[in-house]
Amino acid sequence: QVQLVQSGAEVKKPGASVKVSCKASGYTFTSFDISWVRQASGQGLEWMGWMNPDTGKTGYSQKFQGRLTITKSTPISTAHMELSSLSSEDTAVYYCARGGYNGYGASDYWGQGTLVTVSS
Amino acid sequence: SYVLTQPPSVSVAPGQTARITCGGNNIRTKSVHWYQQRPGQAPVLVVYDDNVRPSGIPERFSGSNSGNTATLTISRVEAGDEADYYCQVWDDSSDKVFGGGTKLTVL
Repeated sequence: QVQLVQSGAEVKKPGASVKVSCKASGYTFTSFDISWVRQASGQGLEWMGWMNPDTGKTGYSQKFQGRLTITKSTPISTAHMELSSLSSEDTAVYYCARGGYNGYGASDYWGQGTLVTVSS
Repeated sequence: SYVLTQPPSVSVAPGQTARITCGGNNIRTKSVHWYQQRPGQAPVLVVYDDNVRPSGIPERFSGSNSGNTATLTISRVEAGDEADYYCQVWDDSSDKVFGGGTKLTVL
């Protein structure tokens, strides 16, 4: 069965960076995009960016341009999301999700979410 | 950037029909996807490409898209349908976009 398993919760100080991992199993990793979506407490879903694991092509929300990097480790079917220059406003649950091609299409499987807390 | 507008809340009695709208400029030209999110859980895809149900999603969930409004319809609403619902599209200028979400309350 398709599964996306994310790395554990993180606590970071303002100005630091965080890297969250998403390990895929149950399907061919390079066949579907991996997207990253975040959700602050009590707020809605916010799309951050996507990667095509086959080509390495990425697309980022303008809001995160310059401080968001999505990478992959194909041999271990894992995608990574790194967000830099953290502030308290980046405190949120971060989800990875499978689906689509080059950004286009729905996300049919989601990871369990990773809580990132930014606090001094 | 492309904006999707959803009502903050919709209330419906059990057994009735809930309709959740998603407004956007000429949204009929886009493929709309809908997600259900129960408290403390990850989102679940319930409708994609306007009106297609993924495997395992009950037939009670359906979607439509016309003009400037897409609609998620939930027939014979059950207590377990109480959740937040989000629409999503892909736009040339904004890439992926989510609506603000609608909280469905089952009375």
